[in-house]
Amino acid sequence: DTEVTQTPKHLVMGMTNKKSLKCEQHMGHRAMYWYKQKAKKPPELMFVYSYEKLSINESVPSRFSPECPNSSLLNLHLHALQPEDSALYLCASSHPRGGDTQYFGPGTRLTVL
Amino acid sequence: AQKVTQAQTEISVVEKEDVTLDCVYETRDTTYYLFWYKQPPSGELVFLIRRNSFDEQNEISGRYSWNFQKSTSSFNFTITASQVVDSAVYFCALSEYTGGFKTIFGAGTRLFVKA
Repeated sequence: DTEVTQTPKHLVMGMTNKKSLKCEQHMGHRAMYWYKQKAKKPPELMFVYSYEKLSINESVPSRFSPECPNSSLLNLHLHALQPEDSALYLCASSHPRGGDTQYFGPGTRLTVL
Repeated sequence: AQKVTQAQTEISVVEKEDVTLDCVYETRDTTYYLFWYKQPPSGELVFLIRRNSFDEQNEISGRYSWNFQKSTSSFNFTITASQVVDSAVYFCALSEYTGGFKTIFGAGTRLFVKA
């Protein structure tokens, strides 16, 4: 089973709201990722967790706050976002060995008003 | 520094035509990994193939085939007898170690297959 699930599928929020995106996998992967994808652009890496520890932060603004409560779950907490943060947010997981295939979830389409 | 170039922004073909999607990469590492992903209109990225830098064997999977040539830093993808369901954006990606394994994606090639 190569399934990564993400909730919600769609999210509309105001600039003063606080919301969270959730990602879950049950493939025994110990690396999890958040990507941001704007329309007609490739995915851009935001964060990488390896063995539940943040290993890569691609200089993402602090209004995005990741959390990895356990090896199966990954959250992205959102606060005081800007309209330009509207995008598709993709979660992925893989074994933590270098170069291992990342399996992606269906994404959360976020709109910030 | 890593770089992945997919020079073809959009390709349009008629069903049953063969089509090749180009991917050229740049890396300083001797150990790296190359991937192709498909992104249909639904948005989910679907893994198609992974190659490491030491394995230059070409691969065929059904109507899909991949040609990896280190000498030209290319990893091209061919769809034989294209079908409407092949319509999607295809991304080539490179993963290498830069203090942690990072993956960067090319800009993507949007493929339209007309019936």
